[in-house]
Amino acid sequence: KAGVTQTPRYLIKTRGQQVTLSCSPISGHRSVSWYQQTPGQGLQFLFEYFSETQRNKGNFPGRFSGRQFSNSRSEMNVSTLELGDSALYLCASSRGQGGLNTGELFFGEGSRLTVL
Amino acid sequence: QKEVEQDPGPLSVPEGAIVSLNCTYSNSAFQYFMWYRQYSRKGPELLMYTYSSGNKEDGRFTAQVDKSSKYISLFIRDSQPSDSATYLCAMSLYNQGGKLIFGQGTELSVKP
Repeated sequence: KAGVTQTPRYLIKTRGQQVTLSCSPISGHRSVSWYQQTPGQGLQFLFEYFSETQRNKGNFPGRFSGRQFSNSRSEMNVSTLELGDSALYLCASSRGQGGLNTGELFFGEGSRLTVL
Repeated sequence: QKEVEQDPGPLSVPEGAIVSLNCTYSNSAFQYFMWYRQYSRKGPELLMYTYSSGNKEDGRFTAQVDKSSKYISLFIRDSQPSDSATYLCAMSLYNQGGKLIFGQGTELSVKP
């Protein structure tokens, strides 16, 4: 069974640009969550999508957005990039049956973004 | 103050040692408690999952939750060099979906 796939794995952008990251969840998983991981702040929750609807949102500015497609694949977008956005962006999927998750998230290997 | 506190280490132990990793938390409403392991340049993988207070054992790993003290632990018996990784505790509220609150992570090194 294929795991969570994230693309691209590495990317370099400059300040002011925008970036789109992609996530393909495990087959059959309907919930996709996104996290930002930095050495200083650790893993921080960005948002979660379930059945194409944003179900939860973390404390990040509006420059961070996401969406989910009917096949459960998800994308996140960061506009007007800042140096502080340099991080590992992790996607995680779960079954989300009945709308209830129990924290059993399966993570991808992440997309490492460097902003210069 | 962070909702979940975890000593970042690093922690270095000899092979075969018993390792104890701990987290404390402030929100008494947390219902689900997890331990994830993250190898360098990889995503976190779920090690242990528990609901409410008590112990759960899986092979060399034991997870403990003490909700009265707001304290969770992970014990690793007979530690191996392959256990060298960062260990992250995580918690969530009931029906909060994929929103986990993570500790900072403890970096563990097991020396042969």
